[in-house]
Amino acid sequence: QVQLVQSGADVKKPGASVKVSCKASGYSFISYGINWVRQAPGQGLEWMGWISAFNGNRKYAQKVQGRITMTTDTSTSTAHMELRSLRSDDTAVYYCAKGTFDQALYFDYWGQGTLVTVSS
Amino acid sequence: NFMLTQPHSVSESPGKTVTISCTRSSGSIASNYVQWYQQRPGSSPTTVIYEDNHRASGVPDRFSGSIDSSSNSAALTISGLKTEDEADYFCQSYDNTNVVFGGGTKLTVL
Repeated sequence: QVQLVQSGADVKKPGASVKVSCKASGYSFISYGINWVRQAPGQGLEWMGWISAFNGNRKYAQKVQGRITMTTDTSTSTAHMELRSLRSDDTAVYYCAKGTFDQALYFDYWGQGTLVTVSS
Repeated sequence: NFMLTQPHSVSESPGKTVTISCTRSSGSIASNYVQWYQQRPGSSPTTVIYEDNHRASGVPDRFSGSIDSSSNSAALTISGLKTEDEADYFCQSYDNTNVVFGGGTKLTVL
């Protein structure tokens, strides 16, 4: 069965960087894209970007453009999301979500989420 | 960029039918697929409906999705409500450069 297993919770100081990983199993990793979505405490869902596991093409949300980098490692079927220059309003649960096909901007399976807390 | 507007909350009794709306602010609702995600408290979202009206794997046929071009909106209908359906529901769509989520609707089954 499809599984997306994310790295554990992290606490960072303002200005630092965080890298969240998402290990996929149960499907052909290179055949589908991975999206990243975050959810601030008590708030709704916010899309951060998409990466193709096939060729590494990316799209980033305008709000985080310049501070975010998404990568994939096909040898380990793992996607990574790095967010830099962290601010307090980056505190959120970060989810990876598998696209329904490579370039799909909608999702069929989600990871369990990674809480990132930004606090001095 | 467009927005997707959902009611903040809806409530209905077990066994009844409820419909949650999702209205697109600009551009046609039919121009890009609409998805619906369910999120129970403390859990990650799960996919309920994709491509307007296709049920995700394992989703019971009590759940259905539709779009209405006349009102430029999508709808999630849940029939035969069960207490386990109590959750937040988010609609989602996209354009060439962006993915947009609705603000979410809290469904209470009482």
